This record gives sequence, C-alpha cells and structure tokens, in this order.
Amino acid sequence: EDQVTQSPEALRLQEGESSSLNCSYTVSGLRGLFWYRQDPGKGPEFLFTLYSAGEEKEKERLKATLTKKESFLHITAPKPEDSATYLCAVQAAGGGADGLTFGKGTHLIIQP
Amino acid sequence: DAGITQSPRHKVTETGTPVTLRCHQTENHRYMYWYRQDPGHGLRLIHYSYGVKDTDKGEVSDGYSVSRSKTEDFLLTLESATSSQTSVYFCAISTPDRGGETQYFGPGTRLLVL
Repeated sequence: EDQVTQSPEALRLQEGESSSLNCSYTVSGLRGLFWYRQDPGKGPEFLFTLYSAGEEKEKERLKATLTKKESFLHITAPKPEDSATYLCAVQAAGGGADGLTFGKGTHLIIQP
Repeated sequence: DAGITQSPRHKVTETGTPVTLRCHQTENHRYMYWYRQDPGHGLRLIHYSYGVKDTDKGEVSDGYSVSRSKTEDFLLTLESATSSQTSVYFCAISTPDRGGETQYFGPGTRLLVL
C-alpha cells in the first residue's frame, strides 16, 4: 500500500525565516511526486511534479527536491502570502488513470 | 483552474436522501477523478474515469457511484447519504506533462449530511 507522511503537521515562521517541509513516501514504483498548495476554502493548486531522484524544481521562493525515500519543499525568505497548507502526493507506476495518494499536509503560517 | 467547475458548491441534506454532485470540464480531458477531504486525512480517491462510460473504484468507493455519459461531465452520486459522507468533495482532471500526467483540481463542493 502506498503511503505518504508529511512533517511537521504545522509550522509557524517569521517573515524571512527560511525552512523546509518534509514528505516521506513508500510506493510500489514511483511515477511522480507532486506538491500542491491549498488555501482555506479552495481546491489544491498545483506547484511541482518530480519524477526521479535527484530532480529539483524551483518557483519563486519555493524549491522542491526528491530522493528515493523523501521530498523536501524548501521555502526561502517566506512572505505572509506563502501561508497555506502544503500537500504532497505520489502516483505509483502503472500507467493509465491512477489516482494520487496524499499526505495529510503541512499547515504553514508566516508571521509579518 | 484548468476549466473545472463543480456544482453545487455547498449543500446541506438529510440522512437517507440521494445526492448528486457534478463536475464539468471544458477542455476535453480524458481522465477525471473524485476525491474527498476530511480533517485528519489526506485527500482520498473515491472513483475515477478514463473515458466516457469507463470508470473504476478508488480507495473509499463504498456508498458512492459515478457516471460519465459525456466527456465533459463526471457525476458523483450518494445513493442514500449518511453523516459519515459529510466532507469536502474535489473533482480533478489529468493532463499530460513532461514525463507523465499532472492532476488539477476544481474548487470543491462542501456537503453536510444531517
């Protein structure tokens, strides 16, 4: 059974204080690892897809990395508008329309 | 939002009544999904579709049925709603991406079963 564990559950940072969110996973062959951002009352917003160990992707203050067991979402010099819940998900290799297995998310608060 | 709309956006119903949620997409995507999101759980897959009239079960399919008679519409039906089906329901579509497929989500339907 595919599993995704995110840590910490919640994180409070000061504006400008960099940190990392962790996503540990077990999957029967990784097809892709996904990061989403979710604001209260809204649907998940796609951020990144990582396909193989060693891959990195960046977008503004966010950088996602991937190893064979975990992924990190690094947040550099965050701003209050980066406050959100960040979701990690995996898709197992198998082709076709397989759904995603999600972690429970990390609730991030950036204080001014 | 990848051209996804969900209706209704909010619904309150009573135990035992049937409920149908609609997901509509405008970009002719082949794959569509229904997830539910509950406190203390990640998003969990209910059902998915890989084409018109082609559907399959996900992790938490008990008590739910789906139909897809047109490419653009994917319906989720609770035949007899129960309080345990109080949740936020998200529809998603899948689009090709370099290396694989990426799922994009709709705005969600908040369902309360009394």
